[in-house]
Amino acid sequence: DAGITQSPRHKVTETGTPVTLRCHQTENHRYMYWYRQDPGHGLRLIHYSYGVKDTDKGEVSDGYSVSRSKTEDFLLTLESATSSQTSVYFCATRSMGISNNEQFFGPGTRLTVL
Amino acid sequence: EDQVTQSPEALRLQEGESSSLNCSYTVSGLRGLFWYRQDPGKGPEFLFTLYSAGEEKEKERLKATLTKKESFLHITAPKPEDSATYLCAVQDGGYNKLIFGAGTRLAVHP
Repeated sequence: DAGITQSPRHKVTETGTPVTLRCHQTENHRYMYWYRQDPGHGLRLIHYSYGVKDTDKGEVSDGYSVSRSKTEDFLLTLESATSSQTSVYFCATRSMGISNNEQFFGPGTRLTVL
Repeated sequence: EDQVTQSPEALRLQEGESSSLNCSYTVSGLRGLFWYRQDPGKGPEFLFTLYSAGEEKEKERLKATLTKKESFLHITAPKPEDSATYLCAVQDGGYNKLIFGAGTRLAVHP
């Protein structure tokens, strides 16, 4: 358990509103990731960070932005939520030098956009 | 384009009935193939990493194998607590970015 928390765990919002999801880790891992999970698509990478203030786009980044001002926090913002962004969002972290190279996942945030 | 395909989408087994899950992949240069387990309402939990063809790893009733084009997750004498969705992923380029398959939903009945 890499000590990853996500907040909120559930959120219902309306189309057009901004939404920010937070990922917090206590393991001092350098790399952090945001994924979304939808039926039939598996997990898809939205954005990732390779250090404080260092971020880049993933496979499905349109409509999302991220920020990382501290090692422990990685924020995902939906600038103007749409119904297509209804999904379960997972944060993950990875440390350098782990023998198995694995990512550790948080518990997820279920977002519903009406 | 890198791609991961898992089969079957769903699998129902009786307790003790061994079987295998398949993960086929296309990637320009494999840097790692990962297996995760995901229980309903939870985040994926890491199981194995495989790096080269011929490599095998085991954990309790699970054994993962790797060839140049696919990986298998063998489940020997499964128990109901093995019921979960099993996810396969390959590393895509740098920064350990992962490409996931859609998963196999496994149900083991007593």
